[in-house]
Amino acid sequence: RKEVEQDPGPFNVPEGATVAFNCTYSNSASQSFFWYRQDCRKEPKLLMSVYSSGNEDGRFTAQLNRASQYISLLIRDSKLSDSATYLCVVSNSGNTPLVFGKGTRLSVIA
Amino acid sequence: EPEVTQTPSHQVTQMGQEVILRCVPISNHLYFYWYRQILGQKVEFLVSFYNNEISEKSEIFDDQFSVERPDGSNFTLKIRSTKLEDSAMYFCASSEGTGWSYTFGSGTRLTVV
Repeated sequence: RKEVEQDPGPFNVPEGATVAFNCTYSNSASQSFFWYRQDCRKEPKLLMSVYSSGNEDGRFTAQLNRASQYISLLIRDSKLSDSATYLCVVSNSGNTPLVFGKGTRLSVIA
Repeated sequence: EPEVTQTPSHQVTQMGQEVILRCVPISNHLYFYWYRQILGQKVEFLVSFYNNEISEKSEIFDDQFSVERPDGSNFTLKIRSTKLEDSAMYFCASSEGTGWSYTFGSGTRLTVV
């Protein structure tokens, strides 16, 4: 069973659309949750941490459901610059290694 | 904004050769990591390093791999005898402490021929 599973996409959406990505994780001991963004052949960059109560950062909203071991990312009012691969990432705690999903590719089209 | 610097950006080497990938973590960070990403695959953990020793390593990090912090600024990954399947993007990362987010370097693309 894969540790972190994501729909690989691609999601092709028009500018201004709302798009949602989902992710499931297998390790119930996971304590820390993140969404990273990765542009083609570049390094992963932290988009946002995901907190139990859910959190929002501008056009981005992340939700966590520990009971279902499910994480989501919602992007509102998509911009062309949002085109990238979105990586769901979990870790057990603190300094334990990050476990990455394979990513979901998003293309925002003019 | 402070950044993690990696050199070289691209390295081509012959199978069986040794390679050293170099990283300069952010200066006040205490935890250092190497991850790799084979083309089209997910990012995978290799090793973490704290207080001048390995704190954790994955199954990928076998006897062919080693890490070193030779001075106060550099953090290196050595692959002793490269194989074709070592071809990947290697990312160095650092963090300030436990529970802090990572900063990744821009990566070294290693191609083994």
